[in-house]
Order: sequence, then C-alpha cells, then structure tokens
Amino acid sequence: QKEVEQNSGPLSVPEGAIASLNCTYSDRVSQSFFWYRQYSGKSPELIMSIYSNGDKEDGRFTAQLNKASQYVSLLIRDSQPSDSATYLCAVNRKAAGNKLTFGGGTRVLVKP
Amino acid sequence: GAVVSQHPSRVICKSGTSVKIECRSLDFQATTMFWYRQFPKQSLMLMATSNEGSKATYEQGVEKDKFLINHASLTLSTLTVTSAHPEDSSFYICSATAASGHQETQYFGPGTRLLVL
Repeated sequence: QKEVEQNSGPLSVPEGAIASLNCTYSDRVSQSFFWYRQYSGKSPELIMSIYSNGDKEDGRFTAQLNKASQYVSLLIRDSQPSDSATYLCAVNRKAAGNKLTFGGGTRVLVKP
Repeated sequence: GAVVSQHPSRVICKSGTSVKIECRSLDFQATTMFWYRQFPKQSLMLMATSNEGSKATYEQGVEKDKFLINHASLTLSTLTVTSAHPEDSSFYICSATAASGHQETQYFGPGTRLLVL
C-alpha cells in the first residue's frame, strides 16, 4: 500500500462545476496536510494547508480533513480552465524531519 | 511572502561536466531545504534534506558523491551534479521550509531543467 494515494485521473470537469479530489494516507501519526497544484513543466505551488479535522476554505478552494478515516480532500468550486493541472496531496510527519510524502497526483481537466 | 528562487532555470551541458544549481529563500530564513527530482509524467522524488551548517541527509538510492549539497547559510543551498550523464537529465526542484506558528510549510522554487548531452 502506498503511503499517500490519489486517483491519477484525469478528472474531467465542465467549467463552472465543482471538482472533487480525494487523498488517503496510511500513517496515522501524520500531522500536516497540503495540497499543491502543478502545471505541466512547472514546479508545485502551494494551494492549501490543513492541520485539524474539518473544513478549511480559501477562495474557491476547500480542504477537508478526517483523521479518523485518514482522508483529506480538496474541492474546487466554479472550476475554470486555468484550474487544469495536476494536484498533489502531501503529508508531513514531524518525526520524519518535516519531509513531505507526496501522492502521485490527480490530473484535472476543466473543459470550457 | 515565502518566495524561493532557483538558478539557473535551464541548463544544457556535455556529458562529464559538473553543474551547480542554487536555491535561495528570498524573504525568509530556511533552516531546512529539500532537493527533489522529477522525470516526465512522474511524481516528485525526494533526493535529500539539507540543513544549514550540517551534512545533507540523502534518500536511499541517491549517490551523495554524485549529488553534492551545500547549505552554507539560512537562505542558500546548492546542489552540484558531478560528472553529469544523460540519465541525470531531469527537472530538479528545491523547496524551503517556512515556519508559521508551530507548523512548517514547504515552498517550492521554480525548478531547474537539466539536459545532459
């Protein structure tokens, strides 16, 4: 079992709809959770961080964390073609020296 | 805030030469920097963890004598690919950790694309 798992996609979403991305992790002592966006040929860009159970909203993005289920998700509301990218879920354990463990990424395609 | 730069953004070199890549945290001090490599259509692969003033910690399978890392200050880490070969051609990305409260977040540089001929 991979430490951090994501559906590779592509997740095809019509413009204006909600894109829902899921991520599961195996290490129960994980403490910090991040969503990064990576455009083709570019480096990852931080979108959201979440540390406690529940929802966290920032603009059109909402991250949801459920530590009991070892599950973190990202919702993108009013999806735009510019949201088309690969979204990387990353998990951090302080005991691991703040190293991030990445999922394989979910490719999102927003169609006009 | 939390801007990380890399230089150069792109480099083409002949096989056998050495290439140095710089990673700088521009508006914060980073006690820890990380070096990643990414091959086309693959996810990020952590190569090493670099702490200011100490030796880097390399991931399993990464040759420390081939990928030399120096972290001389809180704002600068360098990765030198020694005696580069075509199989070293890849996208090299650094990240630096910025502390916010009791949490630390990694911010990525723009990456360096290396092509070894």
